[in-house]
Amino acid sequence: EPEVTQTPSHQVTQMGQEVILRCVPISNHLYFYWYRQILGQKVEFLVSFYNNEISEKSEIFDDQFSVERPDGSNFTLKIRSTKLEDSAMYFCASKTTAIYEQYFGPGTRLTVT
Amino acid sequence: KQEVTQIPAALSVPEGENLVLNCSFTDSAIYNLQWFRQDPGKGLTSLLLIQSSQREQTSGRLNASLDKSSGRSTLYIAASQPGDSATYLCAVRQRETSGSRLTFGEGTQLTVNP
Repeated sequence: EPEVTQTPSHQVTQMGQEVILRCVPISNHLYFYWYRQILGQKVEFLVSFYNNEISEKSEIFDDQFSVERPDGSNFTLKIRSTKLEDSAMYFCASKTTAIYEQYFGPGTRLTVT
Repeated sequence: KQEVTQIPAALSVPEGENLVLNCSFTDSAIYNLQWFRQDPGKGLTSLLLIQSSQREQTSGRLNASLDKSSGRSTLYIAASQPGDSATYLCAVRQRETSGSRLTFGEGTQLTVNP
C-alpha cells in the first residue's frame, strides 16, 4: 500500500541553524501539508500546498518557514534559523482531489539544542 | 476559530469491553471529520472519515458517528483488544478553508488491559 515517507526520522540541530525536513508524498496525490506536534500538545496545522504554491498557512508559519516541491516527488519544509521552541514532531501529509482523507507520514522529530 | 475537544483524556479498560470516545467541536460548519490513531512516537493512521452529510461510518470493529448540529462525534470500539492501545485523535476540516487544513483535538489515550 502506498505511504507517505519522511526523512530523517530524528534530527538534532543547534539553535540558529537551518534545517530541511523532507517528505515523499503518495505518488498521485496533489495536495501536500505540514503539521507539527510539540510534545504533549495538539497536532497543529502549518501549511498546505497545491499546484506549486501555498494555498493556506497558519499563524505559526512565519518568515522563518518555507516549503518547496523541488521535483516531482519531494516536498520539503525549511526552517531558516531554528529556535528552541521549534522542537517538535513534524508530520507531512498528502491527499488527492478524488478522496478526502489526508494520509500522514511517520514524522520527523526535530530537537533544537 | 474552531476548537476541538476530546473526552476523556485517558481511558483504561479490560480486554473485550466495548467503549466510546468523544469528540466535540465548536463550529458546526465542518466539511468532514477524520479519526486517527497515533502510536507512541509514531505517525497518524487514518481510521475513519465522515463527510458532513453522513451520520456514521463503519470499519471492522470501529464505528464513528457524527451529529454536526450539536458539534459532536463519537468513536465506538467493539470488543477492545490490547492492540487497540494507542492515542485516538479526531480532526475536523472547515468548509470555508481552501487549503483543507485539519484542526485536531488533544486526543484520548486508550489502554486496553489483557
